[in-house]
Amino acid sequence: QVQLQQSGPELVKPGASVRISCKASGYTFTSYYIHWVKQRPGQGLEWIGWIYPGNVNTKYNEKFKGKATLTADKSSSTAYMQLSSLTSEDSAVYFCARSGGNYGYAMDYWGQGTSVTVSS
Amino acid sequence: QIVLTQSPAIMSASLGEEITLTCSASSSVSYMHWYQQKSGTSPKLLIYSTSNLASGVPSRFSGSGSGTFYSLTISSVEAEDAADYYCHQWSSYTFGGGTKLEIK
Repeated sequence: QVQLQQSGPELVKPGASVRISCKASGYTFTSYYIHWVKQRPGQGLEWIGWIYPGNVNTKYNEKFKGKATLTADKSSSTAYMQLSSLTSEDSAVYFCARSGGNYGYAMDYWGQGTSVTVSS
Repeated sequence: QIVLTQSPAIMSASLGEEITLTCSASSSVSYMHWYQQKSGTSPKLLIYSTSNLASGVPSRFSGSGSGTFYSLTISSVEAEDAADYYCHQWSSYTFGGGTKLEIK
């Protein structure tokens, strides 16, 4: 069965960077997009960007250019998101999700979310 | 950048009631997806490409719309439907602000 398993919660200091992982299983990793979505406490969903592991193409929400960097490792079927120069505004839960042509590119499977807390 | 505006922000419904949530786009879009997010969990795909039910979604959920106006209808609300609902469209990847459904 399709699964997206994300890495555990992170507590990081302001100004630092953090890398979150999303390990895919149960499907062909290189045939689907992996999206990253941010959700601050009590707030809605915000799309960060996607990576297509098949050719490593990426697309970012303009708001997150320079903040988020998306990568993927085909050998381990794992997608990564690095967040840099962290501030309190980056404290949030981050989800990975896959999409493909089978559901009109809707995000049909989601990871469990990774909590990032930025605090000194 | 296409902006999606959902209304109402909060809806309170009784068990068995039929309700409709709406999503208005700032420019015409070809289709809309809808997600359900229960408290403390990941979002779940509910409806894709405007009117198609995702796998395992109960038939009381339905979607419709075109152009700049889309809607999600629950024909007979159940207690388990208490959640936040988000519309989303692929071309600019934006999400609506969400509608919180509360059960009376």
